[in-house]
Amino acid sequence: GEEVAQTPKHLVRGEGQKAKLYCAPIKGHSYVFWYQQVLKNEFKFLISFQNENVFDETGMPKERFSAKCLPNSPCSLEIQATKLEDSAVYFCASSQSSRVGTGELFFGEGSRLTVL
Amino acid sequence: DQQVKQNSPSLSVQEGRISILNCDYTNSMFDYFLWYKKYPAEGPTFLISISSIKDKNEDGRFTVFLNKSAKHLSLHIVPSQPGDSAVYFCAASADNTDKLIFGTGTRLQVFP
Repeated sequence: GEEVAQTPKHLVRGEGQKAKLYCAPIKGHSYVFWYQQVLKNEFKFLISFQNENVFDETGMPKERFSAKCLPNSPCSLEIQATKLEDSAVYFCASSQSSRVGTGELFFGEGSRLTVL
Repeated sequence: DQQVKQNSPSLSVQEGRISILNCDYTNSMFDYFLWYKKYPAEGPTFLISISSIKDKNEDGRFTVFLNKSAKHLSLHIVPSQPGDSAVYFCAASADNTDKLIFGTGTRLQVFP
């Protein structure tokens, strides 16, 4: 598609439940990035993929968070046993290359996760 | 440890006047700096960027200035328009790699 598509737009989970978010990158973009924005503050980098391979996972919490990009499927970000602090807007972005300093990173509209 | 800082959470400017948004950074390894604009319920959209080898980049009404010695950059919008009302995020990357480090944003309101 012509834009990064994220689903669902809103997701509500009770503490301890699993949450799964999806992202379809722009067609032809081989890099996918996930960012977390808590309380409208700065965007925290979580993980990036080059096609189905993890490119950089230095921002991923060691526990409970996992992500995948499988061929012919939307990418996914999964949080096991959600906690209140996981409440945030999760943004997916895609790019044709890993070099995003000149602005070739395109963001989706985000998925708002609320953990009660 | 916040590497990119936007110390002004909000700014209000009259239509037609200049808007100046500021950003400070601490990491001297950053070599690209970007500004993103974000409307409510939308993802951020790229506005303008500057390489660390330059001190100014201009695109229409938008100009970004970089002062490396002060580790400071600013975004100038002139003339400001009501449609410019949004949250502006400063971001930086090191070695033009995949990781953008964002500031906390400045909410700009342009009033008639």
